[in-house]
Amino acid sequence: DADVTQTPRNRITKTGKRIMLECSQTKGHDRMYWYRQDPGLGLRLIYYSFDVKDINKGEISDGYSVSRQAQAKFSLSLESAIPNQTALYFCATSEERPGQGLYEQYFGPGTRLTVT
Amino acid sequence: ELKVEQNPLFLSMQEGKNYTIYCNYSTTSDRLYWYRQDPGKSLESLFVLLSNGAVKQEGRLMASLDTKARLSTLHITAAVHDLSATYFCAVDWLHYGGSQGNLIFGKGTKLSVKP
Repeated sequence: DADVTQTPRNRITKTGKRIMLECSQTKGHDRMYWYRQDPGLGLRLIYYSFDVKDINKGEISDGYSVSRQAQAKFSLSLESAIPNQTALYFCATSEERPGQGLYEQYFGPGTRLTVT
Repeated sequence: ELKVEQNPLFLSMQEGKNYTIYCNYSTTSDRLYWYRQDPGKSLESLFVLLSNGAVKQEGRLMASLDTKARLSTLHITAAVHDLSATYFCAVDWLHYGGSQGNLIFGKGTKLSVKP
């Protein structure tokens, strides 16, 4: 079974609808992240969470909100979807390698979201 | 503004040839990551470079880090079709006031290896 899972994998929705993307992990990591990927722009950080009570905005948080329901679950919501939120969304997790200050990130399979 | 710049962004190679992808970054950081993404797939970690002069090799790929020049390279030796993918470098955000462990990604280099 995959360590980081995302649901749904594909979603088509209409402008103005509310939509939630979910991420679950079995790696036991405290840190979780949401990114969006657009062609030619690489990955951009939307929100990140260091634990259940610590949630922070990333580079492009406008129009998005998140909820960290448990250590293993981190959800991304679009309150009122708009077409330029059409993208590939990735969830990731990480934890420190002891003593190295290293936080390698592990990515889920992605959710392809289309807003019409 | 923290920037991570990769070049080239697109690379078409013939099998058997060598080439290098460059990753420049604008912060002082000694932690750099390389990821691979196959079309329609997720990102897979390739290399983690932890210090100046670090070199890692896996098969036909070799990554190096020069923290003084703020430059990492990903060298491809005798390319084969299976290496066709998009390659991303990412830098730890620590030294720009962000939180350690947050990564800033380059835009990616789309590599196509042709027979």
